[in-house]
Amino acid sequence: AQSVTQPDIHITVSEGASLELRCNYSYGATPYLFWYVQSPGQGLQLLLKYFSGDTLVQGIKGFEAEFKRSQSSFNLRKPSVHWSDAAEYFCAVWNNNAGNMLTFGGGTRLMVKP
Amino acid sequence: DAGVIQSPRHEVTEMGQEVTLRCKPISGHDYLFWYRQTMMRGLELLIYFNNNVPIDDSGMPEDRFSAKMPNASFSTLKIQPSEPRDSAVYFCASSLFTNTEAFFGQGTRLTVV
Repeated sequence: AQSVTQPDIHITVSEGASLELRCNYSYGATPYLFWYVQSPGQGLQLLLKYFSGDTLVQGIKGFEAEFKRSQSSFNLRKPSVHWSDAAEYFCAVWNNNAGNMLTFGGGTRLMVKP
Repeated sequence: DAGVIQSPRHEVTEMGQEVTLRCKPISGHDYLFWYRQTMMRGLELLIYFNNNVPIDDSGMPEDRFSAKMPNASFSTLKIQPSEPRDSAVYFCASSLFTNTEAFFGQGTRLTVV
């Protein structure tokens, strides 16, 4: 069965510090990979996606993510976190062997200290 | 386009009552998804439609849940009768294809007391 794992449930970083949120998936082939952000009381917004090509993808709000096939990972990074980045972040995977649907990880809640 | 529109934003109902959640997808999107979000189970796909036809409803928890899409611009998720354990945030999302970006509505927070 497919799965998406976000090992960190909560992360706290200081404003201005760098950030890395982890995401691991389990599939045989290369899936399509997504990162979404959810602010309190809001729906999910797409930050970035990877389908093929360059394994380092740039997204909105200064985020980037790197696909590493050997590690089955798609970690999200940001060099300098802003207080407005406090939110919950979801990694998601689409695979056509999984009934054509997006599977989400459990999410990582990011808190930003002033 | 105004994005995916869900109504109501909040719903409080008594156990045993019927609840209907509504969704208007983005015009031109062929796929519509209903998700449920809880602290315990995270985001779960309940059902999705392609061109108004239900494709996979394996995520629907019980027969108390039903979803319809009578036309390309409207879908409903109904719970009858509702139970306290149905309390959650229900999201609707739409996309052009299943492997492209899904656009989410702001969700309906359902509380069953």
